[in-house]
Amino acid sequence: EDQVTQSPEALRLQEGESSSLNCSYTVSGLRGLFWYRQDPGKGPEFLFTLYSAGEEKEKERLKATLTKKESFLHITAPKPEDSATYLCAVRLNRDDKIIFGKGTRLHILP
Amino acid sequence: NAGVTQTPKFRVLKTGQSMTLLCAQDMNHEYMYWYRQDPGMGLRLIHYSVGEGTTAKGEVPDGYNVSRLKKQNFLLGLESAAPSQTSVYFCASSYPGTGDSPLHFGNGTRLTVT
Repeated sequence: EDQVTQSPEALRLQEGESSSLNCSYTVSGLRGLFWYRQDPGKGPEFLFTLYSAGEEKEKERLKATLTKKESFLHITAPKPEDSATYLCAVRLNRDDKIIFGKGTRLHILP
Repeated sequence: NAGVTQTPKFRVLKTGQSMTLLCAQDMNHEYMYWYRQDPGMGLRLIHYSVGEGTTAKGEVPDGYNVSRLKKQNFLLGLESAAPSQTSVYFCASSYPGTGDSPLHFGNGTRLTVT
């Protein structure tokens, strides 16, 4: 069964304290892996697409990496405005389904 | 450019009532998706469509029907609402499924079934 698992479920960091979020996946064929940010009461906002092992992408304080079994979202020197839920999703090769993990709730304390 | 628009934004139904949620996109996207989001459960795929006139089941399709009569619209129907369908519903669209085709989301419909 295709599955996406994110850890931790929740993470509280002090402002400036770097950390990483994990997304592990077990799928029959991966066409792409996506990271999204979701603020309360809003739809998810696209951050990155990764689709080959070894690929990395960066945007401001965020960097996403991909291996054959998992992806990491690294947050460097976070600020309170980085507080949000971060969602990982995979697009399946065989049928274009896009399935999501349950997300990581990130809270950055000032 | 409106992107993905969902109507209504809020709705309260009684058990057994029916309703249709409308999703409209103006980006000429081929693919459209309906998800539901519940606390602690993440986003779960209900149904999706890879083109006008086509639909397919997702992870949690029971109790829902969909139609894609026009490329820009994707309708989600609840024929007989149940309290278990209380949720926030998100619609999303994308270009055909190459690796670099992310979903663009609407802002959701909050549905309560009493």
